[in-house]
Amino acid sequence: DAGVIQSPRHEVTEMGQEVTLRCKPISGHNSLFWYRQTMMRGLELLIYFNNNVPIDDSGMPEDRFSAKMPNASFSTLKIQPSEPRDSAVYFCASSTRVGGTGELFFGEGSRLTVL
Amino acid sequence: RKEVEQDPGPFNVPEGATVAFNCTYSNSASQSFFWYRQDCRKEPKLLMSVYSSGNEDGRFTAQLNRASQYISLLIRDSKLSDSATYLCVVNKVSAGKSTFGDGTTLTVKP
Repeated sequence: DAGVIQSPRHEVTEMGQEVTLRCKPISGHNSLFWYRQTMMRGLELLIYFNNNVPIDDSGMPEDRFSAKMPNASFSTLKIQPSEPRDSAVYFCASSTRVGGTGELFFGEGSRLTVL
Repeated sequence: RKEVEQDPGPFNVPEGATVAFNCTYSNSASQSFFWYRQDCRKEPKLLMSVYSSGNEDGRFTAQLNRASQYISLLIRDSKLSDSATYLCVVNKVSAGKSTFGDGTTLTVKP
């Protein structure tokens, strides 16, 4: 069975550019999560969706970040404009349990470098 | 104070050693608990859930102490392949989300 699929795996961009990260959750999972991981701050929850509806976006750093889930099989995380401090690994995870109270299945991550 | 705190380590142990990690959480309303494992430059993966009565999976034992608000992970007979970062995860159902600790790094040496 396919796991959570993220793209791109690696992205290097220049400050000010728009970045779009993509995620396909596991089929049948009704919760989707975007996390960011850095050495300094660890694994931080940015936003999560239940049944395609954003439930909690309190972790989104600022207005430069936005996330959408137009259907059950696709989500995007967009950064516009990007800044060097956005450099991190961005993980998407999905779960069958509402709010991720069960096992979280992570994608392989998108490693973003903003120069 | 962070909601979930772990000793970052690193823990450097020889093969065959027994090693234990603790994790403390601040929210007494937390309801479910997990240990995840993350290999270098990889995604986190569930290692085991933590039940109130304690649970064991092979060489791994997890325990929960609600009164003191901590969970623990014990690894017996460490293998080289156990080298990884171990993340403590705490959930509160009403909050609908998982909170991760920063992880404890383990290196098992020959």
